[in-house]
Amino acid sequence: SQKIEQNSEALNIQEGKTATLTCNYTNYSPAYLQWYRQDPGRGPVFLLLIRENEKEKRKERLKVTFDTTLKQSLFHITASQPADSATYLCALGNTDKLIFGTGTRLQVFP
Amino acid sequence: NAGVTQTPKFRVLKTGQSMTLLCAQDMNHEYMYWYRQDPGMGLRLIHYSVGEGTTAKGEVPDGYNVSRLKKQNFLLGLESAAPSQTSVYFCASSYGVAGYGYEQYFGPGTRLTVT
Repeated sequence: SQKIEQNSEALNIQEGKTATLTCNYTNYSPAYLQWYRQDPGRGPVFLLLIRENEKEKRKERLKVTFDTTLKQSLFHITASQPADSATYLCALGNTDKLIFGTGTRLQVFP
Repeated sequence: NAGVTQTPKFRVLKTGQSMTLLCAQDMNHEYMYWYRQDPGMGLRLIHYSVGEGTTAKGEVPDGYNVSRLKKQNFLLGLESAAPSQTSVYFCASSYGVAGYGYEQYFGPGTRLTVT
């Protein structure tokens, strides 16, 4: 069955460093992959979309890579700030639906 | 623009009671979705709609029913609530097919407890 894996352990990094979050998937070949941010008590908010034929996508301090051979996406936040602390979800396109990973909690401390 | 709104924000039900969760969007989106989010399980799709008057089952549809009588509204019903339905429920909408690259816009969520 299709499976999406994100590191369930929280990622703790120091302010100013680059945070790297991983999304791995199996038994699936998505054409699109999306990343969302979720703050406690709130709904997810869309951040970035990357297509299968794109290796990398950037938006301000955010960068996403998509390796269809490794079946992996990496999400980077450069020059991280305490305000970046949140849970980050990856989601894979599956015909008319999205399948979400469980998310990785990022904590950026001063 | 209010975006996606959900009513109510919190609710406590007793086992066997029924209730309806309301989702409304003002972005003229065709596609609407209901998810539940549980610790360690992530977001799981309950039901979705690809347009007014249409509904389809998602990953975990049992115990829920939905209706999309108007384009802007998507209702989620629990006919006989069970403790296993204690969860946070999120509604989302998208302009196009989410699986084909369109981003989803989420509501603030409804926290439901079934005792």
